Amino acid sequence: QVQLVQSGAEVKKPGASVKVSCKVSGYTLTELSMHWVRQAPGKGLEWMGGFDPEDGETIYAQKFQGRVTMTEDTSTDTAYMELSSLRSEDTAVYYCATGEVGSGFDYWGQGTLVTVSS
Amino acid sequence: SYELTQPPSVSVSPGQTARITCSGDALPKQYAYWYQQKPGQAPVLVIYKDSERPSGIPERFSGSSSGTTVTLTISGVQAEDEADYYCQSADSSGTYGVFGGGTKLTVL
Repeated sequence: QVQLVQSGAEVKKPGASVKVSCKVSGYTLTELSMHWVRQAPGKGLEWMGGFDPEDGETIYAQKFQGRVTMTEDTSTDTAYMELSSLRSEDTAVYYCATGEVGSGFDYWGQGTLVTVSS
Repeated sequence: SYELTQPPSVSVSPGQTARITCSGDALPKQYAYWYQQKPGQAPVLVIYKDSERPSGIPERFSGSSSGTTVTLTISGVQAEDEADYYCQSADSSGTYGVFGGGTKLTVL
């Protein structure tokens, strides 16, 4: 059974960056493909990007390209999502989830609230 | 960019059947997935590959596909099924993920 435990809530000022972590247990990170999904308050789910095992590359949604970086530390089985140049519209709960865009997302972290406010 | 379209809301009485649709041009080529999300909780996968049910998901949840539309059906709706439901798929290239806008299911 995969368990994903995310880092705690963050408050950031506009223009800053945030880095959210997602610790994997039950499996090793190398056995999984990790993706990130966000949800603004009262809004729907939005796919941000994730690892494509067919290409061996991380794919980012066009909306976030240039502003998001997803990395992994296989020594600690922890995935990271860093979003830069934050603006108020980035206020959202950010989820990590395992799976693939063409196979669905079967395990989810508990979510991390990122608030962007001056 | 590619979009999936869902109705914003569906309402049914307990014991009735709820049907939630999701439309997208690439759905004949790409599988669809359905997630249930209750307030303050992470989404839960309830249907994968259009019509398969993960272990632990009640049999009253089913999925179907026809052309550019997929449908989540909940038979014998219970009060605990009240939640937001999201479809998810990939674009025609299979590279980029996309979610529908979500459907709020209200059990009257």
